[in-house]
Amino acid sequence: QSALTQEASVSGTVGQKVTLSCTGNNNNIGSYAVSWYQQISHGAPKAVMFGNSLPSGIPDRFSGSKSGTTVSLTISGLQPEDEAVYYCSTWDYSLSAQVFGGGTKLTVL
Amino acid sequence: QLQLQESGPGLVKPSETLSLTCSVSDGSISRSSHYWGWIRQSPGKGLEWIGNIDDSGSKYYNPSLKSRLTISADTSKNQFSLKLISVTAADTAIYYCARQSGVGAADYYDYWGQGTLVTVSS
Repeated sequence: QSALTQEASVSGTVGQKVTLSCTGNNNNIGSYAVSWYQQISHGAPKAVMFGNSLPSGIPDRFSGSKSGTTVSLTISGLQPEDEAVYYCSTWDYSLSAQVFGGGTKLTVL
Repeated sequence: QLQLQESGPGLVKPSETLSLTCSVSDGSISRSSHYWGWIRQSPGKGLEWIGNIDDSGSKYYNPSLKSRLTISADTSKNQFSLKLISVTAADTAIYYCARQSGVGAADYYDYWGQGTLVTVSS
């Protein structure tokens, strides 16, 4: 059972906008910034968002938002190469650990 | 461009010790104001944080692994390492090493190794 809850799967068509969510509590998302990672075909994860910022090289089709203890990753203008599993992550001070969500499999139809 | 590369045995027997090393190139692990960490992924499962070490040698361990875990660094070789004792089949996973950077109030793993599969089996 992950400390952060994500949808198991989300799908969208090319060009569409999709939003992935990550829900935690005041011990984690409510207190710390969240990062998002993209994992394509079991390769190494790659950061696509940290807080509300984009790492170098990540297209601005990716954006993030936060409301209370839920954060969202929005991908506008979905592209075939966006098909991947996306994980959210942050620090949890009650667990004294970095925690990851269970991951959302994004399918581009 | 910073590069990280995991190395170590791909097969470990139950009850023995899993030892991995992460070699860092094109960047120094010391005096870097970064954390250097390990994350693993069991087959078909999600990501699990193992622990970090910072450039002063302070260590941060996942409480669920703390009793079996040691993370250390060798600055002369620009490497950091993971030792997990008394392994079981549940420790079978792809093990990634990664660098964690802090930008403002946000920390994130910005560089990752390619990962190495460790199987625990007799």
